[in-house]
Amino acid sequence: QSVLALPPSASGTPGQRVIISCSGSSSNIGNNNVHWYQQLPGTTPKLLIYRNNERPSGVPERFSGSKSGTSASLVISGLRSEDEADYYCSVWDDSLSGPVFGGGTKLTVL
Amino acid sequence: QVTLRESGPALVKPTQTLTLTCTFSGFSLSTSGMCVTWVRQPPGKALEWLALIDWDGDTAFSTSLKTRLTIAADTSKNQVVLTMTNMDPADTATYWCARSFTSTGPFDEWGQGTLITVSS
Repeated sequence: QSVLALPPSASGTPGQRVIISCSGSSSNIGNNNVHWYQQLPGTTPKLLIYRNNERPSGVPERFSGSKSGTSASLVISGLRSEDEADYYCSVWDDSLSGPVFGGGTKLTVL
Repeated sequence: QVTLRESGPALVKPTQTLTLTCTFSGFSLSTSGMCVTWVRQPPGKALEWLALIDWDGDTAFSTSLKTRLTIAADTSKNQVVLTMTNMDPADTATYWCARSFTSTGPFDEWGQGTLITVSS
């Protein structure tokens, strides 16, 4: 069981807004920056959001992130079929002295 | 252009030791703050962080695996080597190395990954 809680699945129709929430604690999300990764089927994870709400070059603006207290959220606006993937939150955990990943959310575009 | 590439045996027998090499280019592990980390993913399961080594030679390990892991860097060869002892079928996974500018991440560049199967 991961110290970061992510819903195992999420879904939406094209054009919809989807929010994936990552819940942690004061030793991880509450005190450190959260990063999000997208893993398309059968591929290597790709950095999607870093330092809570920053987008790497090339990531569409419809992907955004936020953090409040011990939770973080990934928002996908204008959902597209190519967004169907697994999404992971990750953050440094001060108690474990290392980074942790959430269990992953499988996003289905209906 | 930054690249990382994992190499190692595709098949390992139970109880054997796995040695994985990450060969990278386009950055220097000697740069202040730079880190190389290892992450794995069993088939159909979530990502799991394993270990990291930073520019200063400091290391960190997953608490659940630290008794089985070692990590070392050869900056002259631009390589980071991960060893995992006492391999078990449950260690069957795709293993990646990745780069970050600080130990707290993010992992902005990844290798293509290598599938390691543990079976007799």
